[in-house]
Amino acid sequence: DQQVKQNSPSLSVQEGRISILNCDYTNSMFDYFLWYKKYPAEGPTFLISISSIKDKNEDGRFTVFLNKSAKHLSLHIVPSQPGDSAVYFCAATDSWGKLQFGAGTQVVVTP
Amino acid sequence: DGGITQSPKYLFRKEGQNVTLSCEQNLNHDAMYWYRQDPGQGLRLIYYSHIVNDFQKGDIAEGYSVSREKKESFPLTVTSAQKNPTAFYLCASSGGQDSYNEQFFGPGTRLTVL
Repeated sequence: DQQVKQNSPSLSVQEGRISILNCDYTNSMFDYFLWYKKYPAEGPTFLISISSIKDKNEDGRFTVFLNKSAKHLSLHIVPSQPGDSAVYFCAATDSWGKLQFGAGTQVVVTP
Repeated sequence: DGGITQSPKYLFRKEGQNVTLSCEQNLNHDAMYWYRQDPGQGLRLIYYSHIVNDFQKGDIAEGYSVSREKKESFPLTVTSAQKNPTAFYLCASSGGQDSYNEQFFGPGTRLTVL
């Protein structure tokens, strides 16, 4: 049973506009959430994270929002750039190191 | 350069053969993990290890085995008992001076069983 869900398999956005990626989870014990970016045939790279005690974390063009009551988090990328075209994975953990991943969202940034 | 290395990048094996995938890290991380990625799916945890000489099954451990004899190394053996071994395999590590929650990934090994 998938505990972390990314319901949008793909997202197309124009360069310079905002990309919004969504993620839902079912396990209320999750207390730490991460976003990873992945290019084809490469390992994922860590992008940004948020603890359950916060509702927002910002790092440059990337902002993650957490809504615990809705068990929902989102990643905003502003402005989107061509190099942002990749698969983005949402992940969550409730214990030391065991991450549960969503299925990923393919982002395509068009000129 | 600190990081995680996986070798080889591509691996081909005949059905029924065991195969071992290498994973080495020089990040001084205590914890190491093996994941599998299939097309259109997220990463699924196969095995993980928090300390040397100790490891635990993940969500899909059947048909796989691991060892953790050294802190730096966590090899994964795909046995002939694994029914669908063709996949992209990713090794990760965490801990040390970094957060245990933030895992660093290697470049992956694509295994194709013919």
